[in-house]
Amino acid sequence: EAGVTQFPSHSVIEKGQTVTLRCDPISGHDNLYWYRRVMGKEIKFLLHFVKESKQDESGMPNNRFLAERTGGTYSTLKVQPAELEDSGVYFCASSHRDTQYFGPGTRLTVL
Amino acid sequence: EDQVTQSPEALRLQEGESSSLNCSYTVSGLRGLFWYRQDPGKGPEFLFTLYSAGEEKEKERLKATLTKKESFLHITAPKPEDSATYLCAVSALRGSNSGYALNFGKGTSLLVTP
Repeated sequence: EAGVTQFPSHSVIEKGQTVTLRCDPISGHDNLYWYRRVMGKEIKFLLHFVKESKQDESGMPNNRFLAERTGGTYSTLKVQPAELEDSGVYFCASSHRDTQYFGPGTRLTVL
Repeated sequence: EDQVTQSPEALRLQEGESSSLNCSYTVSGLRGLFWYRQDPGKGPEFLFTLYSAGEEKEKERLKATLTKKESFLHITAPKPEDSATYLCAVSALRGSNSGYALNFGKGTSLLVTP
């Protein structure tokens, strides 16, 4: 069974540019989560989808971040415009019930 | 506010030298406590879920235990391949039954030398 995949693995952009991260969950998992880790800090929750609906977006830092999940399958996380403090590793996870399985992450560097 | 504190931050062991990692937590109502392993450049890999005080789970050289305030990850006779960062996370009881956010600690970086 294929795991959670994320694309790209790395992204380097200039401040003010736009970046879109993609996550493909494990097939059949209705729950999809986004997390991020900034330098020296713990992994922090961003938001949770159940199918195509946003169940909890309490962790989204501001309105420069937009997450979508088309048709309840893959999800995208767009950062527009990117700021220096957005640099970090963005993880996606999916679950059927309790256990969340994580993807390898996208390392975002904003210069 | 939910809090998760892991100790020590880093641990160096000789191969075969058993030890324990600690995860102290504060949560309004515990739904589950999770242990993950993370290797450099990879995402967290699920190890265990514990739901109630007194529960224990084992996998190879690892054993996780849970009390009302903390969890321990015991490593028995570790090998160099056990070197990784071990993450603890909790989820709190909320209205939804269909999934929940994880609140992570900063992790314990374990190095096992031959």
